[in-house]
Amino acid sequence: GIQVEQSPPDLILQEGANSTLRCNFSDSVNNLQWFHQNPWGQLINLFYIPSGTKQNGRLSATTVATERYSLLYISSSQTTDSGVYFCAVDPNTNAGKSTFGDGTTLTVKP
Amino acid sequence: GAGVSQTPSNKVTEKGKYVELRCDPISGHTALYWYRQSLGQGPEFLIYFQGTGAADDSGLPNDRFFAVRPEGSVSTLKIQRTERGDSAVYLCASSPARDSLGDTQYFGPGTRLTVL
Repeated sequence: GIQVEQSPPDLILQEGANSTLRCNFSDSVNNLQWFHQNPWGQLINLFYIPSGTKQNGRLSATTVATERYSLLYISSSQTTDSGVYFCAVDPNTNAGKSTFGDGTTLTVKP
Repeated sequence: GAGVSQTPSNKVTEKGKYVELRCDPISGHTALYWYRQSLGQGPEFLIYFQGTGAADDSGLPNDRFFAVRPEGSVSTLKIQRTERGDSAVYLCASSPARDSLGDTQYFGPGTRLTVL
């Protein structure tokens, strides 16, 4: 099946700093999502972005489908951004069967 | 409007028992997904429904696991003869997708299953 690799596995930032999280995937996809899992375990959808660039406030994401990667940018980080960020993809051959990466654990310190 | 809800929030059972986990998707969402998440890992796909039918159940680990969605809304994940290795958080998600192209998934809070 499709492989999803996220980097870095862990990231510690000072409040106000910017960061870039990466998601590499091994096959063509027709669906890519970024999620934030808060400390209470709730998964929140950030972006549905199979290709192109989207922005939502301090967050933005870019997916380059032809090169099989996606980037999540967090600017002016806040302590509430802490948690685990997951990338999830659906391969072209199996839409609906989402494969998640192992996530990036972000800690933002005040 | 209401999001995805899951009941119970926590379930403790003994090895060998039968359990049912329930998911209420967002009203009108045709696609429903079940995942399992172990500590320190990303969610693992179990099964995906489009309407009442299971479009893909290839993630179910073995025949002790079964899921239904008889009326195309509420879904129940059923686990027979539970084993300690079944302990995990079981997550449900729904999306408005009406075809095979995929769409944004909205997750419930999960059910934490502990098998003693």
